[in-house]
Amino acid sequence: DTGVSQNPRHKITKRGQNVTFRCDPISEHNRLYWYRQTLGQGPEFLTYFQNEAQLEKSRLLSDRFSAERPKGSFSTLEIQRTEQGDSAMYLCASSPNRGPNSPLHFGNGTRLTVT
Amino acid sequence: KNEVEQSPQNLTAQEGEFITINCSYSVGISALHWLQQHPGGGIVSLFMLSSGKKKHGRLIATINIQEKHSSLHITASHPRDSAVYICAVLHSGGGADGLTFGKGTHLIIQP
Repeated sequence: DTGVSQNPRHKITKRGQNVTFRCDPISEHNRLYWYRQTLGQGPEFLTYFQNEAQLEKSRLLSDRFSAERPKGSFSTLEIQRTEQGDSAMYLCASSPNRGPNSPLHFGNGTRLTVT
Repeated sequence: KNEVEQSPQNLTAQEGEFITINCSYSVGISALHWLQQHPGGGIVSLFMLSSGKKKHGRLIATINIQEKHSSLHITASHPRDSAVYICAVLHSGGGADGLTFGKGTHLIIQP
């Protein structure tokens, strides 16, 4: 299966620790999105890459959050000094660059629990 | 008010029933997605619409651009259809900032 892969699937960390998540998109997809989903809510946009360029950031992405896509392939999302409010599912999606009607492919997400 | 509103929030039905989930949005869009999310988090894209109607198996999605409304229908529902169904819109001219999602409709199909 060459779908979008996210690691780890689950992460439990103590408040104040740093965490890093990885997303491997479908290989020919040059658009990559990060979303955050809290319990009972729909996903919320965090940030978007076209190739290695980070083109958009949501206001949800405080200075404790940083995302990279150094070679335009996999991406990492790092949260520094985690807080309990960061507990959520972090979803990655990728799409080919075919305009606004490009299909989106989601990973299975990384569930973060901050204790 | 959320830009994307779904109804109902929760729906329980018997196997075989015809299911309708509604999505209303308040902004101009270039595309609308219907997504399915199973327990454990994985999301599968069901449909992407910019006009008219699409059908895939027992699933049908329609959109009315003038009324800013879309519906997802499931015919001959089955317990394996139990999931959260999420409507998401892509803003017109705002393709770079991703999608705006509804809160989802939690569907349970009882055998």
